[in-house]
Amino acid sequence: EAGVAQSPRYKIIEKRQSVAFWCNPISGHATLYWYQQILGQGPKLLIQFQNNGVVDDSQLPKDRFSAERLKGVDSTLKIQPAKLEDSAVYLCASSFRGRLTDTQYFGPGTRLTVL
Amino acid sequence: TQLLEQSPQFLSIQEGENLTVYCNSSSVFSSLQWYRQEPGEGPVLLVTVVTGGEVKKLKRLTFQFGDARKDSSLHITAAQPGDTGLYLCAGGGRGSTLGRLYFGRGTQLTVWP
Repeated sequence: EAGVAQSPRYKIIEKRQSVAFWCNPISGHATLYWYQQILGQGPKLLIQFQNNGVVDDSQLPKDRFSAERLKGVDSTLKIQPAKLEDSAVYLCASSFRGRLTDTQYFGPGTRLTVL
Repeated sequence: TQLLEQSPQFLSIQEGENLTVYCNSSSVFSSLQWYRQEPGEGPVLLVTVVTGGEVKKLKRLTFQFGDARKDSSLHITAAQPGDTGLYLCAGGGRGSTLGRLYFGRGTQLTVWP
């Protein structure tokens, strides 16, 4: 079974530029998550989708971050404009239905460096 | 604000030693999960505990969920170099945040041959 795919794996940009990350979840998984993991910290949930609808985006900085999950499969996370403090690993995860006991499977992440 | 505090932050031991990692909070969680993360990879789930006082064993790893569902521990017996990695605990939200995971900062474990 293929895992969660993410691209690119690495991205370096200058502040105020825009960047987009792509995620392809495990086939059949209805729930998709985007996390931000700053160096030395644990992952922090940014947004959770159930199929193509947003379940929780309370921790997403909506003035600069946006995400979509068209057709309930792939998802993109965009930052516009980027700030220095956005430097982090962005992790995508998926689970079958998002229930309490469903396992979240994480992708390898995209490491973003903002200069 | 960090809901879950993990200790120690760093742990460096010799192969064969035993160790315990702690995850503490003042909040009650619906569940407690432990993950291991290796460099350049996403976290991988090791175990989920949902009942206060629950103990689960996975080969040389023993996980315990506190009676009040606020804290947890991970004990590794006879550590091996392959156990090296970042160990993360994550608490499951309750009520309106059910399904959300709150991660600790992690414990970086290094096991030397």
